Amino acid sequence: DTAVSQTPKYLVTQMGNDKSIKCEQNLGHDTMYWYKQDSKKFLKIMFSYNNKELIINETVPNRFSPKSPDKAHLNLHINSLELGDSAVYFCASTLSQGNTEAFFGQGTRLTVV
Amino acid sequence: AQKVTQAQTEISVVEKEDVTLDCVYETRDTTYYLFWYKQPPSGELVFLIRRNSFDEQNEISGRYSWNFQKSTSSFNFTITASQVVDSAVYFCALSAPAGANNLFFGTGTRLTVIP
Repeated sequence: DTAVSQTPKYLVTQMGNDKSIKCEQNLGHDTMYWYKQDSKKFLKIMFSYNNKELIINETVPNRFSPKSPDKAHLNLHINSLELGDSAVYFCASTLSQGNTEAFFGQGTRLTVV
Repeated sequence: AQKVTQAQTEISVVEKEDVTLDCVYETRDTTYYLFWYKQPPSGELVFLIRRNSFDEQNEISGRYSWNFQKSTSSFNFTITASQVVDSAVYFCALSAPAGANNLFFGTGTRLTVIP
């Protein structure tokens, strides 16, 4: 069983489109995250949710909107996609807030053309 | 501010050699956690270890060992008798202060083990 699963694994789309990436965890964790990994492999947090509530919102354009319908799901919706949005997006979860081991999904490689 | 530096961008070793990956961190917090993650060519991120700032004991897990030294703000990772399957990008990460909800990653070290 996959602990943290993201769909799709690959996403190729044109500039200006709107797309969503889904994430689900079956670990019973309270906290979920979205990280972005750029072409140079640099990983940076975008959002963090704890029990469906937004905890961290880093400097991310408003075009990115996370949605957490329940604590097992954290989806990422992106409006008006731009070339610079091309990256690998990782979903992760931790048992609770603070310093615990993060389990990552397999990543979604988004390519905007 | 939190910062993690992995000065080695790429390392190549011949199979069975030992290799050490360096990690230097910066934080003003007195309590924090350090992590290592492995990202193999398949792309997923695999947790390797978590160490809290109060525990400076070195840890060994099979061929992997970690050396945490607060005096030099370093958390280095050694692989002994390296294998081709160890080829991956390795990330050091910092979470600070205690209770923080974030991981600050280094830029990663790409390790290539040559058969």
